Amino acid sequence: EAGVVQSPRYKIIEKKQPVAFWCNPISGHNTLYWYLQNLGQGPELLIRYENEEAVDDSQLPKDRFSAERLKGVDSTLKIQPAELGDSAVYLCASSRGSGRNNEQFFGPGTRLTVL
Amino acid sequence: AQTVTQSQPEMSVQEAETVTLSCTYDTSESNYYLFWYKQPPSRQMILVIRQEAYKQQNATENRFSVNFQKAAKSFSLKISDSQLGDTAMYFCAFLLDSGAGSYQLTFGKGTKLSVIP
Repeated sequence: EAGVVQSPRYKIIEKKQPVAFWCNPISGHNTLYWYLQNLGQGPELLIRYENEEAVDDSQLPKDRFSAERLKGVDSTLKIQPAELGDSAVYLCASSRGSGRNNEQFFGPGTRLTVL
Repeated sequence: AQTVTQSQPEMSVQEAETVTLSCTYDTSESNYYLFWYKQPPSRQMILVIRQEAYKQQNATENRFSVNFQKAAKSFSLKISDSQLGDTAMYFCAFLLDSGAGSYQLTFGKGTKLSVIP
Protein backbone atom coordinates (compact mmCIF):
# COMPACT_ATOMS: atom_id res chain seq x y z
CA GLU A 1 0.00 0.00 0.00
CA ALA A 2 1.44 3.36 -1.02
CA GLY A 3 1.87 5.92 1.72
CA VAL A 4 0.95 9.58 1.74
CA VAL A 5 2.67 11.31 -1.15
CA GLN A 6 3.69 14.96 -1.07
CA SER A 7 5.36 17.16 -3.64
CA PRO A 8 7.58 18.97 -3.99
CA ARG A 9 9.89 17.77 -1.22
CA TYR A 10 11.76 21.07 -1.19
CA LYS A 11 10.85 24.54 -2.38
CA ILE A 12 12.82 27.78 -2.28
CA ILE A 13 11.08 31.01 -3.23
CA GLU A 14 11.48 34.74 -2.84
CA LYS A 15 9.18 36.52 -0.39
CA LYS A 16 5.92 37.78 -1.83
CA GLN A 17 5.86 34.93 -4.38
CA PRO A 18 3.06 32.35 -4.41
CA VAL A 19 3.70 28.70 -3.65
CA ALA A 20 1.60 25.53 -3.69
CA PHE A 21 2.01 22.13 -2.09
CA TRP A 22 0.32 18.96 -3.22
CA CYS A 23 -0.75 15.91 -1.21
CA ASN A 24 -2.11 12.54 -2.28
CA PRO A 25 -3.48 10.60 0.70
CA ILE A 26 -3.59 6.85 1.17
CA SER A 27 -6.31 5.29 -0.95
CA GLY A 28 -9.57 5.01 0.97
CA HIS A 29 -8.65 7.57 3.58
CA ASN A 30 -11.48 10.07 3.93
CA THR A 31 -9.79 12.42 6.37
CA LEU A 32 -6.88 14.59 5.31
CA TYR A 33 -4.81 16.95 7.46
CA TRP A 34 -2.33 19.70 6.74
CA TYR A 35 0.16 20.48 9.50
CA LEU A 36 2.79 23.19 9.89
CA GLN A 37 6.05 22.18 11.54
CA ASN A 38 8.42 24.97 12.47
CA LEU A 39 12.06 24.18 13.19
CA GLY A 40 12.43 22.59 16.60
CA GLN A 41 8.68 22.29 17.12
CA GLY A 42 6.00 19.66 16.86
CA PRO A 43 3.44 19.76 14.06
CA GLU A 44 0.47 22.09 14.43
CA LEU A 45 -2.79 21.47 12.62
CA LEU A 46 -3.67 23.97 9.90
CA ILE A 47 -6.75 22.36 8.39
CA ARG A 48 -8.64 19.07 8.39
CA TYR A 49 -10.83 17.73 5.61
CA GLU A 50 -13.58 15.14 5.82
CA ASN A 51 -13.84 14.08 2.18
CA GLU A 52 -14.04 17.38 0.28
CA GLU A 53 -15.31 19.46 3.21
CA ALA A 54 -12.98 21.56 5.37
CA VAL A 55 -14.33 20.85 8.86
CA ASP A 56 -11.60 22.45 10.98
CA ASP A 57 -9.64 25.39 9.56
CA SER A 58 -9.49 27.55 12.66
CA GLN A 59 -5.67 27.58 12.63
CA LEU A 60 -5.32 28.45 8.95
CA PRO A 61 -4.22 32.07 8.34
CA LYS A 62 -6.88 32.82 5.79
CA ASP A 63 -5.45 36.12 4.63
CA ARG A 64 -2.66 34.35 2.76
CA PHE A 65 -3.28 30.61 3.05
CA SER A 66 -5.87 28.62 1.16
CA ALA A 67 -6.52 24.93 0.66
CA GLU A 68 -8.74 22.74 -1.40
CA ARG A 69 -9.56 19.08 -1.73
CA LEU A 70 -11.49 18.70 -4.93
CA LYS A 71 -13.28 15.35 -5.33
CA GLY A 72 -12.24 14.42 -1.80
CA VAL A 73 -8.92 12.86 -2.76
CA ASP A 74 -5.86 15.01 -3.56
CA SER A 75 -5.35 18.27 -1.76
CA THR A 76 -3.46 21.48 -2.45
CA LEU A 77 -2.26 24.02 0.09
CA LYS A 78 -1.38 27.47 -1.24
CA ILE A 79 0.36 30.49 0.21
CA GLN A 80 0.02 33.84 -1.54
CA PRO A 81 2.04 35.90 -0.94
CA ALA A 82 4.70 34.05 1.04
CA GLU A 83 6.47 35.75 3.93
CA LEU A 84 9.82 35.03 5.55
CA GLY A 85 8.07 33.54 8.57
CA ASP A 86 6.40 30.91 6.41
CA SER A 87 9.67 29.00 6.14
CA ALA A 88 8.85 25.62 7.67
CA VAL A 89 7.94 22.05 6.83
CA TYR A 90 4.38 21.45 5.67
CA LEU A 91 3.16 17.97 6.50
CA CYS A 92 0.16 16.19 5.08
CA ALA A 93 -1.47 13.27 6.88
CA SER A 94 -4.46 11.05 6.23
CA SER A 95 -6.65 8.62 8.14
CA ARG A 96 -9.67 6.45 7.37
CA GLY A 97 -11.82 8.68 9.56
CA SER A 98 -11.40 11.20 12.31
CA GLY A 99 -12.56 9.07 15.21
CA ARG A 100 -10.30 8.02 18.04
CA ASN A 101 -9.34 4.66 16.55
CA ASN A 102 -8.13 6.10 13.26
CA GLU A 103 -4.36 6.31 13.04
CA GLN A 104 -2.96 9.25 11.14
CA PHE A 105 -0.34 8.43 8.52
CA PHE A 106 2.06 11.19 7.63
CA GLY A 107 3.76 12.12 4.39
CA PRO A 108 7.43 13.13 4.14
CA GLY A 109 6.58 16.82 4.10
CA THR A 110 7.54 19.80 1.95
CA ARG A 111 10.35 21.96 3.28
CA LEU A 112 9.69 25.57 2.30
CA THR A 113 12.41 28.21 2.42
CA VAL A 114 11.38 31.81 1.83
CA LEU A 115 14.25 34.19 1.01
CA ALA B 1 -6.58 24.01 26.14
CA GLN B 2 -4.40 20.94 26.22
CA THR B 3 -0.62 21.20 26.40
CA VAL B 4 2.13 18.63 25.95
CA THR B 5 5.58 19.21 27.42
CA GLN B 6 8.76 17.37 26.53
CA SER B 7 11.46 18.70 28.82
CA GLN B 8 14.42 16.98 27.14
CA PRO B 9 15.33 18.68 23.84
CA GLU B 10 18.15 16.23 23.15
CA MET B 11 19.29 12.89 24.50
CA SER B 12 21.86 10.30 23.58
CA VAL B 13 22.25 6.63 24.37
CA GLN B 14 24.81 3.94 23.65
CA GLU B 15 23.75 1.22 21.27
CA ALA B 16 22.10 -1.71 23.09
CA GLU B 17 21.40 0.41 26.18
CA THR B 18 18.05 1.60 27.48
CA VAL B 19 16.78 5.17 27.37
CA THR B 20 13.66 6.88 28.70
CA LEU B 21 12.07 9.94 27.13
CA SER B 22 9.80 12.09 29.29
CA CYS B 23 6.46 13.67 28.50
CA THR B 24 3.93 15.48 30.65
CA TYR B 25 0.58 16.86 29.61
CA ASP B 26 -2.14 19.02 30.99
CA THR B 27 -5.84 18.45 30.54
CA SER B 28 -9.04 18.57 32.51
CA GLU B 29 -10.54 15.77 30.45
CA SER B 30 -10.64 12.15 31.60
CA ASN B 31 -11.01 10.33 28.29
CA TYR B 32 -8.11 10.80 25.90
CA TYR B 33 -5.31 9.03 24.11
CA LEU B 34 -1.56 9.45 24.15
CA PHE B 35 0.98 8.62 21.47
CA TRP B 36 4.65 8.57 20.76
CA TYR B 37 5.64 9.35 17.18
CA LYS B 38 9.08 8.89 15.64
CA GLN B 39 10.37 11.24 12.95
CA PRO B 40 13.67 10.03 11.40
CA PRO B 41 15.91 12.45 9.53
CA SER B 42 13.98 11.68 6.32
CA ARG B 43 11.04 13.36 8.12
CA GLN B 44 8.28 10.79 7.56
CA MET B 45 6.60 10.57 10.93
CA ILE B 46 5.45 7.15 12.10
CA LEU B 47 3.47 5.97 15.09
CA VAL B 48 5.54 4.11 17.69
CA ILE B 49 3.03 3.36 20.42
CA ARG B 50 -0.36 4.48 21.74
CA GLN B 51 -2.06 4.41 25.13
CA GLU B 52 -5.73 4.79 25.98
CA ALA B 53 -6.20 6.82 29.17
CA TYR B 54 -8.86 4.45 30.50
CA LYS B 55 -6.44 1.52 30.43
CA GLN B 56 -4.27 1.06 33.49
CA GLN B 57 -1.95 -1.40 31.79
CA ASN B 58 1.04 0.22 30.13
CA ALA B 59 1.31 -0.33 26.38
CA THR B 60 4.27 -2.21 24.90
CA GLU B 61 5.43 -2.70 21.32
CA ASN B 62 8.50 -4.92 21.07
CA ARG B 63 11.41 -2.81 22.40
CA PHE B 64 9.17 0.18 23.12
CA SER B 65 7.12 0.56 26.26
CA VAL B 66 5.44 3.39 28.13
CA ASN B 67 5.06 4.34 31.75
CA PHE B 68 1.65 5.98 31.99
CA GLN B 69 0.94 7.77 35.26
CA LYS B 70 -2.52 9.27 34.87
CA ALA B 71 -2.65 11.09 38.20
CA ALA B 72 0.72 12.70 37.54
CA LYS B 73 -0.20 13.32 33.87
CA SER B 74 3.04 11.70 32.83
CA PHE B 75 3.67 9.50 29.78
CA SER B 76 7.28 8.40 29.31
CA LEU B 77 8.69 6.20 26.56
CA LYS B 78 11.29 3.54 27.27
CA ILE B 79 13.39 2.18 24.44
CA SER B 80 15.23 -1.02 25.30
CA ASP B 81 18.22 -2.44 23.42
CA SER B 82 18.64 0.82 21.49
CA GLN B 83 19.54 0.46 17.83
CA LEU B 84 21.14 2.90 15.40
CA GLY B 85 17.84 3.08 13.54
CA ASP B 86 16.20 4.53 16.62
CA THR B 87 18.02 7.81 15.98
CA ALA B 88 15.21 10.31 15.34
CA MET B 89 13.04 13.03 16.78
CA TYR B 90 10.43 11.63 19.11
CA PHE B 91 7.18 13.48 19.64
CA CYS B 92 4.68 12.91 22.40
CA ALA B 93 1.12 13.64 21.30
CA PHE B 94 -2.27 13.94 22.94
CA LEU B 95 -5.58 13.13 21.26
CA LEU B 96 -8.83 14.59 22.46
CA ASP B 97 -12.33 14.74 21.12
CA SER B 98 -12.61 18.14 19.42
CA GLY B 99 -16.35 17.79 19.03
CA ALA B 100 -18.88 15.77 17.06
CA GLY B 101 -16.79 12.61 17.37
CA SER B 102 -13.71 14.03 15.71
CA TYR B 103 -10.31 14.04 17.35
CA GLN B 104 -7.39 16.45 17.22
CA LEU B 105 -3.73 15.72 17.90
CA THR B 106 -1.61 18.10 19.98
CA PHE B 107 2.14 17.52 19.80
CA GLY B 108 4.98 18.34 22.14
CA LYS B 109 8.15 20.03 20.87
CA GLY B 110 10.02 16.78 20.54
CA THR B 111 13.16 15.10 21.87
CA LYS B 112 16.07 14.49 19.54
CA LEU B 113 17.50 11.05 20.31
CA SER B 114 20.92 10.01 19.07
CA VAL B 115 22.03 6.40 19.36
CA ILE B 116 25.80 6.18 19.57
CA PRO B 117 27.62 3.14 18.16
